[in-house]
Amino acid sequence: DSGVTQTPKHLITATGQRVTLRCSPRSGDLSVYWYQQSLDQGLQFLIQYYNGEERAKGNILERFSAQQFPDLHSELNLSSLELGDSALYFCASSAGLDPNYGYTFGSGTRLTVV
Amino acid sequence: SQQGEEDPQALSIQEGENATMNCSYKTSINNLQWYRQNSGRGLVHLILIRSNEREKHSGRLRVTLDTSKKSSSLLITASRAADTASYFCATDAEAAGNKLTFGGGTRVLVKP
Repeated sequence: DSGVTQTPKHLITATGQRVTLRCSPRSGDLSVYWYQQSLDQGLQFLIQYYNGEERAKGNILERFSAQQFPDLHSELNLSSLELGDSALYFCASSAGLDPNYGYTFGSGTRLTVV
Repeated sequence: SQQGEEDPQALSIQEGENATMNCSYKTSINNLQWYRQNSGRGLVHLILIRSNEREKHSGRLRVTLDTSKKSSSLLITASRAADTASYFCATDAEAAGNKLTFGGGTRVLVKP
């Protein structure tokens, strides 16, 4: 157990639907990062939150949004889902703003869009 | 786009042999990190090497960094079947907003 908890582990949904992925960071970590891992695109950075505020945005589609709550857990919302959104979605956390000591990853949510 | 590119993409070795994989990157970095991912699981942080360091060891892992060539290598000595996984390099660079940018990974298969 890495200390980063992601739910659900698996999700199967239809095109056009909306889903919410949840992440609880490791205790004491203030930064949360979301990554998408697909076979053809590899690990792509989506977005970072630090202590409740958005800090960096990567290749995140407009159909996707995220937030970090006062208790530091984070949610990634994916809407108008397409087949190409099928991927593993990882959440990672770190203590500060910079990855000076590495990230701690959760075990991921496998999203399948049918 | 990916900052780091690993080479080779896949590697198959016998148990007990050494495994070496390389990572090249494009911009100046603060540090470079290596992660392991078992099939379908989360990534596990292995080792971090800072831009002013040239070599670092952790157990059976040895990492080198050559900032002049913008490259790093990860050596796993005396490999075990349990080392079978994908290995990713990740760079921390100001140009990328101080978040980690991952390479495409090297798939390592250690045959018993």
